[in-house]
Amino acid sequence: DTEVTQTPKHLVMGMTNKKSLKCEQHMGHRAMYWYKQKAKKPPELMFVYSYEKLSINESVPSRFSPECPNSSLLNLHLHALQPEDSALYLCASSQEGAAYEQYFGPGTRLTVT
Amino acid sequence: EDQVTQSPEALRLQEGESSSLNCSYTVSGLRGLFWYRQDPGKGPEFLFTLYSAGEEKEKERLKATLTKKESFLHITAPKPEDSATYLCAVHSGGQLTFGSGTQLTVLP
Repeated sequence: DTEVTQTPKHLVMGMTNKKSLKCEQHMGHRAMYWYKQKAKKPPELMFVYSYEKLSINESVPSRFSPECPNSSLLNLHLHALQPEDSALYLCASSQEGAAYEQYFGPGTRLTVT
Repeated sequence: EDQVTQSPEALRLQEGESSSLNCSYTVSGLRGLFWYRQDPGKGPEFLFTLYSAGEEKEKERLKATLTKKESFLHITAPKPEDSATYLCAVHSGGQLTFGSGTQLTVLP
């Protein structure tokens, strides 16, 4: 089973809202990732958790806040987003680090109004 | 700085017309090259991992090859359901660097 699940599938939020995206994997993988993907562009790495230790892409604004409650779960907390944050948010996991293939979830389509 | 360039940006084929997609890369110490397929509005689907020059992997109508500077994804006798964006990514320095993708359309 190589399934990564993400909820919700779609999310519309205002600029003053607080919301969370959720991701889960049951493959025993020890690394999990959040990516942002705009239309016609490749995925851009936002955050990596490896063995529950966080690595941050320094260019990601603080209005995005990741959380890894355990090795199977990954959340992305959203607060005071801007319209330009509208995108497809992808979660992925891999056996250990990025030397191993990453398995992606179906994504959450986020629209900020 | 690691760079990954995919060509062509878009490719239209007739059903059954074989072709190849290219992924050229410049990295300091390749630790893996990955091919993904992505359908519109969905997450990328893992296809292949290649680690060393000369390595080849096959899956149905797809075959991936790797040299020291580039990788090819060969599509033999494609079908309309092969239409998708194909992404190449390289692992170097602890994270993946993606190319911009090749949008493949296979016409019936």
